[in-house]
Amino acid sequence: GAVVSQHPSRVICKSGTSVKIECRSLDFQATTMFWYRQFPKQSLMLMATSNEGSKATYEQGVEKDKFLINHASLTLSTLTVTSAHPEDSSFYICSAPWGTQETQYFGPGTRLLVL
Amino acid sequence: QKEVEQNSGPLSVPEGAIASLNCTYSDRGSQSFFWYRQYSGKSPELIMFIYSNGDKEDGRFTAQLNKASQYVSLLIRDSQPSDSATYLCAVRPIMEYGNKLVFGAGTILRVKS
Repeated sequence: GAVVSQHPSRVICKSGTSVKIECRSLDFQATTMFWYRQFPKQSLMLMATSNEGSKATYEQGVEKDKFLINHASLTLSTLTVTSAHPEDSSFYICSAPWGTQETQYFGPGTRLLVL
Repeated sequence: QKEVEQNSGPLSVPEGAIASLNCTYSDRGSQSFFWYRQYSGKSPELIMFIYSNGDKEDGRFTAQLNKASQYVSLLIRDSQPSDSATYLCAVRPIMEYGNKLVFGAGTILRVKS
């Protein structure tokens, strides 16, 4: 299977600061990557689709100015949470599709805690 | 609206038994179906995918797909305590949806030793 990495794995920041999360496909190229958010004991929620070389596509209700996505290369997508607030504390997970069935492979996730 | 439904559980089975996890979906044109396992505090990991009607086996896991009835299931044979996790069903709807997946909320499985 394909390997997807995320960095950092855990981050604690003060309210009002911005946090950048990186998602990398290690052994394959991905023109598309997906960003999810998961609150404790809740299901995965798709936030946006990251498209290499073009603008990200955001799901309904997700603020594009707050969650900035940049897909600058075929192996890297970044999610920046701008002016983070405690309610943004969550588990952020990226995925990238690979293979004939475009199976999504998930990164290990980034746990964000905003104080 | 494209939906994927799963019983939230928890489903409790004794060690060594067969665990049966079910999932229904609303989009009749859905093409591919995936099962992921998610341990507490971790990200989902792929168990297997299926896209043709019938059964597909991989080790202790068997995925079953019935497109006419719009359901997909996952059987886990010889369940082990290490199988205790949340199992997510994911469906890829018709192609115009791109390659996004629609996830169910997951079924919690508990295997008791």
